[in-house]
Amino acid sequence: EAGVAQSPRYKIIEKRQSVAFWCNPISGHATLYWYQQILGQGPKLLIQFQNNGVVDDSQLPKDRFSAERLKGVDSTLKIQPAKLEDSAVYLCASSLGGVGWTEAFFGQGTRLTVV
Amino acid sequence: TQLLKQSPQFLSIQEGENLTVYCNSSSVFSSLQWYRQEPGEGPVLLVTVVTGGEVKKLKRLTFQFGDARKDSSLHITAAQPGDTGLYLCAGTPNFGNEKLTFGTGTRLTIIP
Repeated sequence: EAGVAQSPRYKIIEKRQSVAFWCNPISGHATLYWYQQILGQGPKLLIQFQNNGVVDDSQLPKDRFSAERLKGVDSTLKIQPAKLEDSAVYLCASSLGGVGWTEAFFGQGTRLTVV
Repeated sequence: TQLLKQSPQFLSIQEGENLTVYCNSSSVFSSLQWYRQEPGEGPVLLVTVVTGGEVKKLKRLTFQFGDARKDSSLHITAAQPGDTGLYLCAGTPNFGNEKLTFGTGTRLTIIP
């Protein structure tokens, strides 16, 4: 079974530039998450989708971050304009969703460096 | 926001020793998971606990969920170099809500 696919793996940009990350979840998984993980810390939830609807985006800095999941399958996360403090690994995860807890599967992440 | 604080933040021990990692919160969780993350990879699920007081064993790893479902611990017996990694606890607030909140993380290094 194919896992969660993310691209690119690495990205270096200058501050004030824009960047986009792509995620393709495991087929059939209704729930999709985007996390930001700063070096040495636990992942911080940015946004959670259930199919193509947003369930939680309370920690998404909406002045510069945006995310969409058109057609309820793959998703993109955009940062515009980027700041130095956005340097982090951006992780995408997916789970089956529905009643009861199901395992979240993570992609390898995109390491963003803002210079 | 429900916060999960892990301790210790860093732990470096010799191969063969035992260790315990703690995950604490002031909030109640319906379920709690433990993940391990290796460099350049995403977290991988180790175990899920859902019942207060529940104990689960996975080979040399023992996981416990507190009676009040606010805390958890991970105990490793006879640690091996392959256990090295970042250990993360993560909780969901209530059944039917899959908002997964991660703890602060414990970076474990096992010295051969």
